[in-house]
Amino acid sequence: DGGITQSPKYLFRKEGQNVTLSCEQNLNHDAMYWYRQDPGQGLRLIYYSQIVNDFQKGDIAEGYSVSREKKESFPLTVTSAQKNPTAFYLCASSTTGQGISPLHFGNGTRLTVT
Amino acid sequence: AQSVTQLDSQVPVFEEAPVELRCNYSSSVSVYLFWYVQYPNQGLQLLLKYLSGSTLVKGINGFEAEFNKSQTSFHLRKPSVHISDTAEYFCAVSTLREYGNKLVFGAGTILRVKS
Repeated sequence: DGGITQSPKYLFRKEGQNVTLSCEQNLNHDAMYWYRQDPGQGLRLIYYSQIVNDFQKGDIAEGYSVSREKKESFPLTVTSAQKNPTAFYLCASSTTGQGISPLHFGNGTRLTVT
Repeated sequence: AQSVTQLDSQVPVFEEAPVELRCNYSSSVSVYLFWYVQYPNQGLQLLLKYLSGSTLVKGINGFEAEFNKSQTSFHLRKPSVHISDTAEYFCAVSTLREYGNKLVFGAGTILRVKS
């Protein structure tokens, strides 16, 4: 079955360390996204990519970085510059740019930084 | 700037009762509207969407929503809920900007179905 795979499901890191979250899709979608979810705040867009080798900052990109070297992969790095990194991170994809075609989501990675 | 307001953070309801989850948005241009559902520790799944046409939209699991342009609302309804409907529901609105659409999510409404 086609879908989006995020790994790991749970991730624990010490403060000051960079950490990379994996996102792979086999839906052949052009667009991919990273969202951050905090209780009571809905989803906030971190980065998105509409095509390979191109990506754009979302609303809360500070302290994060991404790459899009392959169509099926869109890893997110949470750097030590992110002041409050503990959150639930969701990766999504769509056939076209955001807001027209529905988003398909992975099951998320819960990151805890202590 | 567009915004999405989900008026209730939590909605408790008994099994087999009807439910309405409210969503209002602000936008000065045409919009596309979505409802997503999230079960615990999972990603979001699309329930239904409004792009154009009939203002009453039917989705999966017996849910429906009505687009009301004059009231800028897109409330989600189900005539009879089940325990399995317990989840968090997100309204999302997309508006066309000069450089592509922007999708904004509401803060979510937790639906708790009690037996």
